[in-house]
Amino acid sequence: GESVGLHLPTLSVQEGDNSIINCAYSNSASDYFIWYKQESGKGPQFIIDIRSNMDKRQGQRVTVLLNKTVKHLSLQIAATQPGDSAVYFCAERADDYKLSFGAGTTVTVRA
Amino acid sequence: EPEVTQTPSHQVTQMGQEVILRCVPISNHLYFYWYRQILGQKVEFLVSFYNNEISEKSEIFDDQFSVERPDGSNFTLKIRSTKLEDSAMYFCASQTGSTKNIQYFGAGTRLSVL
Repeated sequence: GESVGLHLPTLSVQEGDNSIINCAYSNSASDYFIWYKQESGKGPQFIIDIRSNMDKRQGQRVTVLLNKTVKHLSLQIAATQPGDSAVYFCAERADDYKLSFGAGTTVTVRA
Repeated sequence: EPEVTQTPSHQVTQMGQEVILRCVPISNHLYFYWYRQILGQKVEFLVSFYNNEISEKSEIFDDQFSVERPDGSNFTLKIRSTKLEDSAMYFCASQTGSTKNIQYFGAGTRLSVL
């Protein structure tokens, strides 16, 4: 499953399929980006990060892609599992301090 | 694995009352943050704190808000006179001393202002 366009608030994906979550960021000066996962009633949990001098970074079952030309960030989850159901936020940082979060995408995994 | 802990998990208060939200950041971290999340909305930055002083704050963080690191362990957010619109989840986060590093979040305190 894939959230197309700049951003969709929900994504439904079949268990075992790959998921793609998209995010458009706003600040061209941002040089550090993070994906967080938030489960119901919990705080944001770090998934993966990427610096602006890279365009791809891989983790365990997750890949982040960065396209600075169009200010676009995506998170790919391989072989999506029921435990991946959550809200996913991208966040950008343009200075040494605050994170600016996107609106979030709710991922629902269908059995 | 070290984690950021927040207490209480849920705080109910009357409008106009003072509340203090408490956080224990990860022990070797030097940068501390408060964020809030109104139900169904995105996470918003409130304030960052380093070397015992505020390093940056948002427009939300007005004179009613203050932060303190009273004992080298706890990091608190005080709201002097709560308003209905202060109802939200408040998250504490901490980060190691070097810049551009990951911020680790606590589970949050749900503040309900009646």
